[in-house]
Amino acid sequence: QVQLQESGPGLVEPSGTLSLTCAVSGGSISSSNWWSWVRQPPGKGLEYIGEIYHSGRANYNPSLKNRVTMSVDKSRNQFSLKVNSVTAADTAVYYCARIYCTTTGCYYYLDDWGQGTLVIVSS
Amino acid sequence: QTVVTQEPSFSVSPGGTVTLTCGLSSGSVSTTHYPSWYQQTPGQAPRTLIYGIDSRSSGVPDRFSGSILGNKAALTITGAQADDESDYYCVLYMGSGIYVFGPGTKVTVL
Repeated sequence: QVQLQESGPGLVEPSGTLSLTCAVSGGSISSSNWWSWVRQPPGKGLEYIGEIYHSGRANYNPSLKNRVTMSVDKSRNQFSLKVNSVTAADTAVYYCARIYCTTTGCYYYLDDWGQGTLVIVSS
Repeated sequence: QTVVTQEPSFSVSPGGTVTLTCGLSSGSVSTTHYPSWYQQTPGQAPRTLIYGIDSRSSGVPDRFSGSILGNKAALTITGAQADDESDYYCVLYMGSGIYVFGPGTKVTVL
């Protein structure tokens, strides 16, 4: 089990860029796991944003693909999310989570979650 | 676009049994979707319950079980307790690193 902690600005102006970081502790980001982002608008359901591997290879939700970029910082054992051209619809609690994999393959589920961080898009 | 379906809500009596389902707008849920289930209470992060159809995550009570029923994935709560009152989400893996969440089912225990 790893511990995940999201951080970043809680308020972003419309048309700006949302930037969040997820610090990983209790394990290495360079392990076999993939690392993901999920968001939840207030009062609504969960939405998968995408995942990234320590190599930098990433897969994004097609509905967000044009505005999302993920990256990995192995020296800090953390990974990041950027969403550009944000609108009020991007207001949500953002979670980072681990997608559990071993050297023999992935189990295709999110097993460890951060506590989440609320990002409000407003001027 | 693939849509994952779940019942909006269920009510169950304490000690009772409830089965939630997770389907696809087109086609059947199968082992290749690696269905997983998550429990979420208000203000909290999701908690992983079931993965790979029927494997319980660490620390999850055995009153939670997963299966495939017909063309859907299913989560059964046997002997429901008051603290099982939560939102439950299923997730299906669509391949190429893409996961899709269902809309969630709100379970009330009363």
